[in-house]
Amino acid sequence: QKEVEQDPGPLSVPEGAIVSLNCTYSNSAFQYFMWYRQYSRKGPELLMYTYSSGNKEDGRFTAQVDKSSKYISLFIRDSQPSDSATYLCAMSAMGNAGNMLTFGGGTRLMVKP
Amino acid sequence: DGGITQSPKYLFRKEGQNVTLSCEQNLNHDAMYWYRQDPGQGLRLIYYSQIVNDFQKGDIAEGYSVSREKKESFPLTVTSAQKNPTAFYLCASSIDRARAGELFFGEGSRLTVL
Repeated sequence: QKEVEQDPGPLSVPEGAIVSLNCTYSNSAFQYFMWYRQYSRKGPELLMYTYSSGNKEDGRFTAQVDKSSKYISLFIRDSQPSDSATYLCAMSAMGNAGNMLTFGGGTRLMVKP
Repeated sequence: DGGITQSPKYLFRKEGQNVTLSCEQNLNHDAMYWYRQDPGQGLRLIYYSQIVNDFQKGDIAEGYSVSREKKESFPLTVTSAQKNPTAFYLCASSIDRARAGELFFGEGSRLTVL
């Protein structure tokens, strides 16, 4: 079993829909949680960075962490065709250890006009 | 504009050949990383370097080598010992240890072994 599980999709939604992307994990030591967006044939870019449990909002994006369930989510409101990309979750036990990031396999999202 | 430049974007290699992928950053970041991405799999760490002249193996270092002679540069050599080198390779950097989860990525290099 992988340490971080993510449904590969593709997830297809109409423009304007609310999108929910999720990751589950098995390592209870994870405390730092990140979401990266990766467009086709490009490098990932950081979207959200959160510590421990709770919610964090940035524009149309909300990151949610539930450590008791070992479950994290990324919500996208009013989705746009430009949101079509692969979304990667990543997590680590320590904030000062980029070398210790564990990535999910990514969920491919398609937002149709 | 600051960023990470990877070259070449596409590379073809015959079996038995070594190839070197270039990674240059002008972000003045201390830490640099090499990841490998295969379809449906998460990014896997090959090597990382926190400071010049020092680097550490990641989860899948076998068949790869790196050097860090300058802060700006972190080239990756894929050697003939790497059994399955066809993949998308990503170079990344982070500003310092405290924010090491915030990685800045290059656009990647796609290596295909013929």
